[in-house]
Amino acid sequence: AQSVAQPEDQVNVAEGNPLTVKCTYSVSGNPYLFWYVQYPNRGLQFLLKYITGDNLVKGSYGFEAEFNKSQTSFHLKKPSALVSDSALYFCAVRDNRKDDKIIFGKGTRLHILP
Amino acid sequence: EAGVAQSPRYKIIEKRQSVAFWCNPISGHATLYWYQQILGQGPKLLIQFQNNGVVDDSQLPKDRFSAERLKGVDSTLKIQPAKLEDSAVYLCASSSNRDSPLHFGNGTRLTVT
Repeated sequence: AQSVAQPEDQVNVAEGNPLTVKCTYSVSGNPYLFWYVQYPNRGLQFLLKYITGDNLVKGSYGFEAEFNKSQTSFHLKKPSALVSDSALYFCAVRDNRKDDKIIFGKGTRLHILP
Repeated sequence: EAGVAQSPRYKIIEKRQSVAFWCNPISGHATLYWYQQILGQGPKLLIQFQNNGVVDDSQLPKDRFSAERLKGVDSTLKIQPAKLEDSAVYLCASSSNRDSPLHFGNGTRLTVT
């Protein structure tokens, strides 16, 4: 069965420093991978996706993610963190060999310290 | 384009009462999803519709939860009777096709006392 893991409950980064939020996945076929962000009392907002092609994917608000097939990872990155990046981040995966179900990780809370 | 609309935003009920949530997806989006998000957890898929047909409802507690999407547009999710463990945010999302990201509404926060 497909699954996705976010090993860190919380990540703290100083403003201006690079940030990384980790995600690993397990699927039987090829993965469709997504990152979403959630601000308080709001629904999830799409940041970026990997379907096929270049392993480095660029998305909204200066975020990017790198697909690594051998490590089954899809870590979210940003070169220089902003205080406004503080939020809850979710990684999600869909197995393209199976149904259209999208599975979400448990989320990682990102704190950017001024 | 207008986003996914959900109502109500908040609902407080007592256990054993019933409650219904409404969702209107983005116009033209064929796929509609209901997710349950318990505090501190990621969203869990309850049911997925393709137009007005059910694609997946394997994690829907069918003894108390029901959902419908008449005419393939808006949808309602009902809980009857509610339990304390149903306290959560219920998120509706829609997408236009298989490769497209999900667009989420702001959710309905349900508190069962």
